[in-house]
Amino acid sequence: GENVEQHPSTLSVQEGDSAVIKCTYSDSASNYFPWYKQELGKRPQLIIDIRSNVGEKKDQRIAVTLNKTAKHFSLHITETQPEDSAVYFCAASPVYSGGGADGLTFGKGTHLIIQP
Amino acid sequence: SQTIHQWPATLVQPVGSPLSLECTVEGTSNPNLYWYRQAAGRGLQLLFYSVGIGQISSEVPQNLSASRPQDRQFILSSKKLLLSDSGFYLCAWTFVRTSGSGNTIYFGEGSWLTVV
Repeated sequence: GENVEQHPSTLSVQEGDSAVIKCTYSDSASNYFPWYKQELGKRPQLIIDIRSNVGEKKDQRIAVTLNKTAKHFSLHITETQPEDSAVYFCAASPVYSGGGADGLTFGKGTHLIIQP
Repeated sequence: SQTIHQWPATLVQPVGSPLSLECTVEGTSNPNLYWYRQAAGRGLQLLFYSVGIGQISSEVPQNLSASRPQDRQFILSSKKLLLSDSGFYLCAWTFVRTSGSGNTIYFGEGSWLTVV
């Protein structure tokens, strides 16, 4: 099955600086890569996703890049703000083989701390 | 639009007592449904998933069980809780995949369970 590794587990950056979180996946057939943000005590919420036919996607201060050859994808947050402090999860979804649920394999999460 | 609700939001239960967490999805039909558990400061562990009424698959053997009595209702249960069952429980749903590309997973608000 799919295995997703996420680094770092904790990331502390100064407000206004950029933050980068990296994930690698094992199944070369995976084709969908979402990123979730989870604030303390709340549910994970989708912030951005990318499909395997695209190399980069941006949404204001956040961007995701995908390198299918190397099997890794990254989340980039620019001009970080205090409200960016949260746990971020990456995930990968393999090609559907039919008959089962649509499984996402999650990374273990990165605790992003924005220092004022 | 689709919405997902789960309850109760918090509960404190003694060891050995039963558990019932309920989740409903509105605005869609025949969703894939999931139960995840998140221990404090940890990642997302998939417990159960369901592709239809009465169809339950377990990812992790434990003293928990799940049921899907109606299309958009998913219930997590236990007959006798253990201390190790404490955590943040998240219900989630996805559209049924109809192509090779993966689907976004949407989470409920979560239920905090403390077993004492």
